[in-house]
Amino acid sequence: DAGITQSPRHKVTETGTPVTLRCHQTENHRYMYWYRQDPGHGLRLIHYSYGVKDTDKGEVSDGYSVSRSKTEDFLLTLESATSSQTSVYFCAISQTGQETQYFGPGTRLLVL
Amino acid sequence: QQQVKQSPQSLIVQKGGISIINCAYENTAFDYFPWYQQFPGKGPALLIAIRPDVSEKKEGRFTISFNKSAKQFSLHIMDSQPGDSATYFCAASYPSPDYKLSFGAGTTVTVRA
Repeated sequence: DAGITQSPRHKVTETGTPVTLRCHQTENHRYMYWYRQDPGHGLRLIHYSYGVKDTDKGEVSDGYSVSRSKTEDFLLTLESATSSQTSVYFCAISQTGQETQYFGPGTRLLVL
Repeated sequence: QQQVKQSPQSLIVQKGGISIINCAYENTAFDYFPWYQQFPGKGPALLIAIRPDVSEKKEGRFTISFNKSAKQFSLHIMDSQPGDSATYFCAASYPSPDYKLSFGAGTTVTVRA
């Protein structure tokens, strides 16, 4: 998985609680992305980062925030988890932005 | 609204057969078209990619055909093998500075031995 780890790998939480997912890379890639994967939707971009402290929204950013204080770490926070945020979350990294995106192993999140 | 439409949702092919997956897009700003392969429980991995100035690209048993005027592109898997059983996603990327990928909904390919 190209030096990408995601934590936790599985999480069960309750509606209304905040949740933070972590993506850590050892490749020193500039770009980092958070996607969610749901049946029938493929992968949808939540937020992405093009450098430390530089982030922007993707197509499904409502209810999510991100932070990147170091090159190697990209955090995704669900401010108040809802059942519609039950999904598999993937982090990806890219050296140049457009060329290959390398995906992490995913985090399976269940919001009850 | 899905910016890249992918079909079929699933397909079954016999070993040695050809698998064909089709994708269509509307936004002519897209300038990079990758295909990703995903096995159960794993993250997607880049399989092959093409730019719109090329009509075809082949890597081993995998070929992308690209029709710029029709805004369509497809993946052909020749001599399909059981190890090719996976979910395949087409995608399209915006150019600089965004580089955001829009993915199709995915096609689950099952190769029967």
